[in-house]
Amino acid sequence: NAGVTQTPKFQVLKTGQSMTLQCAQDMNHEYMSWYRQDPGMGLRLIHYSVGAGITDQGEVPNGYNVSRSTTEDFPLRLLSAAPSQTSVYFCASSRRPIGGELFFGEGSRLTVL
Amino acid sequence: QQQVKQSPQSLIVQKGGISIINCAYENTAFDYFPWYQQFPGKGPALLIAIRPDVSEKKEGRFTISFNKSAKQFSLHIMDSQPGDSATYFCAASPDRGSTLGRLYFGRGTQLTVWP
Repeated sequence: NAGVTQTPKFQVLKTGQSMTLQCAQDMNHEYMSWYRQDPGMGLRLIHYSVGAGITDQGEVPNGYNVSRSTTEDFPLRLLSAAPSQTSVYFCASSRRPIGGELFFGEGSRLTVL
Repeated sequence: QQQVKQSPQSLIVQKGGISIINCAYENTAFDYFPWYQQFPGKGPALLIAIRPDVSEKKEGRFTISFNKSAKQFSLHIMDSQPGDSATYFCAASPDRGSTLGRLYFGRGTQLTVWP
């Protein structure tokens, strides 16, 4: 059972570069989301999706884009990386958006120089 | 504005002791309260959850206490073990209603259990 798979696990970028964090789940979950984790700030929601073709912003969406073309995949795009985006990013999925268990990936650690 | 306030930020407990982490919320629409446990280098995982129709839920050494009138809930870890050393997040969400609702997390508590 793979669950939620994130790639890459580590990435170093220079300011202004772009990249995509990949997330895939094999549980046929409709709901997927991206969080960033920073020391002392907990888990902050970046973007989420309640199904293929439907996405919405969380509390810290600036600088990030998402799309959901399939149920399985939910990539997070950084168009022009900034040092403030240095963080650990987690993708999560669940059967429904609220009231159910969130399954997290193992995280992607991003450093922007 | 923080929807769920968690304390303390860090906690050090001796092996065999009781670890207590507290959370508070304001939104009366919240009626699902999970706790997540995160080990270093891993993603968070659901530990235990409660709905407000009960005041306490126990699973092994882990107990959630819920006070609806005070809008507070807490996690108690009995007989704490070094293997319990992790970061713990409380969270809250509506359980019914809008399909576009979301889970709000506290800022986390880093628990260290000394042997």
